[in-house]
Amino acid sequence: EVQLLESGGGLVQPGGSLRLSCAASGFTFITYTMSWVRQAPGKGLEWVSTASGGGGLTYYADSVKGRFTISRDNSKNTLYLQMNILRAEDTAVYYCAKVGGANTLYDALDIWGQGAMVAVSS
Amino acid sequence: DIQMTQSPPTLSASVGDRVTITCRASQSIGSRLAWYQQKPGRAPKFLIYEASSLEGGVPPRFSGSGSGTEFTLTISGLQPDDFATYYCQQYNFYPWTFGPGTKVEIK
Repeated sequence: EVQLLESGGGLVQPGGSLRLSCAASGFTFITYTMSWVRQAPGKGLEWVSTASGGGGLTYYADSVKGRFTISRDNSKNTLYLQMNILRAEDTAVYYCAKVGGANTLYDALDIWGQGAMVAVSS
Repeated sequence: DIQMTQSPPTLSASVGDRVTITCRASQSIGSRLAWYQQKPGRAPKFLIYEASSLEGGVPPRFSGSGSGTEFTLTISGLQPDDFATYYCQQYNFYPWTFGPGTKVEIK
């Protein structure tokens, strides 16, 4: 069964840092582009970042560029999101998600994790 | 960046109704459009890719159409399990963008 399990969420002060992890299982991790999508309380979905299968190509939303870094350890089947200089507006549930097709940067997100809550507050 | 809009923001309907949600892109995205369903407190569920291809296991009462800048999601014969919020998303250009969502409520 294909599964994604996020961890690492929590409460952090403004200006602080947090690293989210997403453990993947049930598929050949290295062949799939992976993404992070977030959802602020009561709001819609916002794409955050995407990394290619090998990790060499990465893309970011303008709202997080320069503060967040996506990475992956394919030997551990794990996706990461390092979040620095956190702001109150980064408060959201963060989902990791897998694209549907292998070896493509452009595809829909077919499998989603359960989400990790990140709260930025003093 | 590609802007995605959805209409209506909220839709009140009854079980058995046929409902249609419209999604528009600010410029052509070809057919690289997906639809997701989300219920409160749950992760989004993937429904449709390439504008009209149904993901495996999704009931055939869901259908998608369109290309370029205008797309629709139709639910033919609304079921109790279908009351949720629906989002469209373009994946033709980075940054990927989602529509603001359409909430399907019970009338």
